[in-house]
Amino acid sequence: EAGVAQSPRYKIIEKRQSVAFWCNPISGHATLYWYQQILGQGPKLLIQFQNNGVVDDSQLPKDRFSAERLKGVDSTLKIQPAKLEDSAVYLCASSFTQGFRETQYFGPGTRLLVL
Amino acid sequence: QKEVEQNSGPLSVPEGAIASLNCTYSDRGSQSFFWYRQYSGKSPELIMFIYSNGDKEDGRFTAQLNKASQYVSLLIRDSQPSDSATYLCAGLNDYKLSFGAGTTVTVRA
Repeated sequence: EAGVAQSPRYKIIEKRQSVAFWCNPISGHATLYWYQQILGQGPKLLIQFQNNGVVDDSQLPKDRFSAERLKGVDSTLKIQPAKLEDSAVYLCASSFTQGFRETQYFGPGTRLLVL
Repeated sequence: QKEVEQNSGPLSVPEGAIASLNCTYSDRGSQSFFWYRQYSGKSPELIMFIYSNGDKEDGRFTAQLNKASQYVSLLIRDSQPSDSATYLCAGLNDYKLSFGAGTTVTVRA
């Protein structure tokens, strides 16, 4: 079974530029998550989708971050404009559904460096 | 106050010893708890989850949950150098997973 795919794996941009990340979840997984992991910290949930609807985006900085999951499969996360503090690893995860026993499977992540 | 807090590391144990990792949580509505292992530069991978009070064993790993004390722990028996990683504790409430900052474990050969 193929895992969660993410691209690109690395990205270096200058502040105020825009960047987009792509995620393809495990086939059949209805729930998709985007996390931000800053060095030395645990992942922080940015947004959670159930199919193509948003379940939780309370920690998404909506003035600069946006995300979509068209057709309930792939998802993109965009930052516009980027700030220095956005330097982090952006992890995408998916689960079959969103029950309390559901396991989230993580992709390899995208390492973003904002200069 | 952070929702999930883990004992500060790093934790260094000799090969073959028991590594003990602790985690406390503030949200009493948390329904289940997950332990993830994260190697340097890699993404988190699930070790085990627990949602009932008591112990749950899986191979060399034992998770313990005490909801009254709002405490979760992970024991790694017969620690191996390959267990050297950061261990993340996470609590699930209302379908949202909240992670601790992680405890870094180093197993000395």
